[in-house]
Amino acid sequence: DIQLTQSPSFLSASVGDRVTITCRASQGISSSLAWYQQKPGKAPKLLIYSASTLQSGVPSRFSGSGSGTEFTLTISSLQPEDFATYYCQQVIGYPRSFGQGTRLEI
Amino acid sequence: EEQLLESGGGLVQSGGSLRLSCAASGFTFSSYAMSWVRQAPGKGLEWVSVISGNGATAYYSDLVKGRFTISRDNSKNTLYLQMSSLRAEDTAVYYCAKDSMAFSESWGQGTLVTVSS
Repeated sequence: DIQLTQSPSFLSASVGDRVTITCRASQGISSSLAWYQQKPGKAPKLLIYSASTLQSGVPSRFSGSGSGTEFTLTISSLQPEDFATYYCQQVIGYPRSFGQGTRLEI
Repeated sequence: EEQLLESGGGLVQSGGSLRLSCAASGFTFSSYAMSWVRQAPGKGLEWVSVISGNGATAYYSDLVKGRFTISRDNSKNTLYLQMSSLRAEDTAVYYCAKDSMAFSESWGQGTLVTVSS
């Protein structure tokens, strides 16, 4: 099974900051990776798929990069509504798996 | 507007069974694979199962294989998760999701399953 490890697990930042979250896969997954945002009490929301493609309606301050085993999610200028938990997910094989999450707080 | 509405959650004793449903609307249900993802209280997301658009193929997490069965009724635009031999560690909010190119692009609001020991 493929394991995903996110770093950091917790990130403290301020409005306007540029932040980067990393997701490492235990084996190569090409570009078969998505990033989701989840706010407390809400369902996850797809932000980026195929490692770098922005989902429709997602602000352009979000971007993704990487392939193989190392991936990054970057938020170029944090907005108040961006404080949430972020998860990566691999979809190249079964069982699919999520990273453990990165909690982004002020 | 696309909508996914889960139901069927509740309190069940360890060893018991429960069937979750997910009613879909606003898109051609049979054209999409559908997934179940769960989240234990205060924990991260955990992938549970996926089923193809025509219902012919399904995959499961090792933790639920043999106990849970995913199915769908395309005539009713409804996804199901039959859960049996439930354990305390199955306690979670269960989300259904519409998959596009294997990515879960739309999610329901979730339904809470609590397994008491």
